Amino acid sequence: DADVTQTPRNRITKTGKRIMLECSQTKGHDRMYWYRQDPGLGLRLIYYSFDVKDINKGEISDGYSVSRQAQAKFSLSLESAIPNQTALYFCATSDLLLNEQFFGPGTRLTVL
Amino acid sequence: AQSVAQPEDQVNVAEGNPLTVKCTYSVSGNPYLFWYVQYPNRGLQFLLKYITGDNLVKGSYGFEAEFNKSQTSFHLKKPSALVSDSALYFCAVRTMDSNYQLIWGAGTKLIIKP
Repeated sequence: DADVTQTPRNRITKTGKRIMLECSQTKGHDRMYWYRQDPGLGLRLIYYSFDVKDINKGEISDGYSVSRQAQAKFSLSLESAIPNQTALYFCATSDLLLNEQFFGPGTRLTVL
Repeated sequence: AQSVAQPEDQVNVAEGNPLTVKCTYSVSGNPYLFWYVQYPNRGLQFLLKYITGDNLVKGSYGFEAEFNKSQTSFHLKKPSALVSDSALYFCAVRTMDSNYQLIWGAGTKLIIKP
């Protein structure tokens, strides 16, 4: 079984709709991250969480919110989706020693 | 501002030839350097990292990278390329000044031709 899972894997939605992307991990890591990937721009950090009670904004948090429901779960919400939020979204985890990050398979989101 | 540059959008190499994917960085403080690979329709996978010590680090799938402090570079290399190495490669750097968050390069598409 995959260590970091994301649901859904693909989603097409309309402008103005509320969308939630979910991430679960079985690695036992405290730190979790949400990134978006756009062609030619690499990965940009949206939000990150060092533990259940610690949530931090990343480089591009506007238009997004997150919830850390448990150590193993970190959800990303788009309250009112817009077309320029069309992207590939990745969840990642890392441990307290700040070593390498482990990525989920990604969610491809299209906002029409 | 702290940044990571991957100067080549795409690198083309014939199978069996050596490959190099370039990465340079501009950060304050001592860098932790990483390479990740992304295969089509997959998440990113960790390849290797430099934290301290020997400037030449070895990673997964026969890849290695050399940390060059004076040139602020961390180029990814492999002596003999395989078609299966074709993928998107990302360089990333982390420092205390970036609050230990990763700063990512834009990625380099590596194409290995038979």
